[in-house]
Amino acid sequence: DADVTQTPRNRITKTGKRIMLECSQTKGHDRMYWYRQDPGLGLQLIYYSFDVKDINKGEISDGYSVSRQAQAKFSLSLESAIPNQTALYFCATSDSRDSNEKLFFGSGTQLSVL
Amino acid sequence: AQKITQTQPGMFVQEKEAVTLDCTYDTSDPSYGLFWYKQPSSGEMIFLIYQGSYDQQNATEGRYSLNFQKARKSANLVISASQLGDSAMYFCAMREGWGNTPLVFGKGTRLSVIA
Repeated sequence: DADVTQTPRNRITKTGKRIMLECSQTKGHDRMYWYRQDPGLGLQLIYYSFDVKDINKGEISDGYSVSRQAQAKFSLSLESAIPNQTALYFCATSDSRDSNEKLFFGSGTQLSVL
Repeated sequence: AQKITQTQPGMFVQEKEAVTLDCTYDTSDPSYGLFWYKQPSSGEMIFLIYQGSYDQQNATEGRYSLNFQKARKSANLVISASQLGDSAMYFCAMREGWGNTPLVFGKGTRLSVIA
């Protein structure tokens, strides 16, 4: 089983709909992140959380919100989806005790907003 | 200003040859970490190698090595003896400070290995 699980793997939705992407992890890591990937733009940080009570905006947080329901769960919401939010979304985790604190990624959620 | 710059959108290399993927970074923090990730066509992100700013030696992991030139602020990835399975997107990333900042990624380089 994957250590970082994202659901759904693929989602097609319509403009204006509210959508939630979920991420859960069994790695016991304290830190979780949401990134989005657009072709030619690399990965851009949406939100991150260093522990359950900590939520921080990333470089492209407008139009998104997050919830850290537990150490193992971090969900991303699009309150009113728009077509330019069509992208590949990655959840990632890291362990603050790790000497290099590398990120571990989920498999990604491909979101299409029509 | 971009923190991580990867100037090569695409690269080609012959199988069994070595290839260098460029990465330059911008930070005024003396403490930072540099990472390389691989993304094959299947989409997953795979950690390859890490270099800390205070590390005296260039990092190596199997066929991957990081050519770290601190004064030039470059952290180029060298892949030796390229294999067809090395065809993928490669991302350079940086974390500034001692771990209380998130990773910032470059735009990536697509490497194609030719038989």
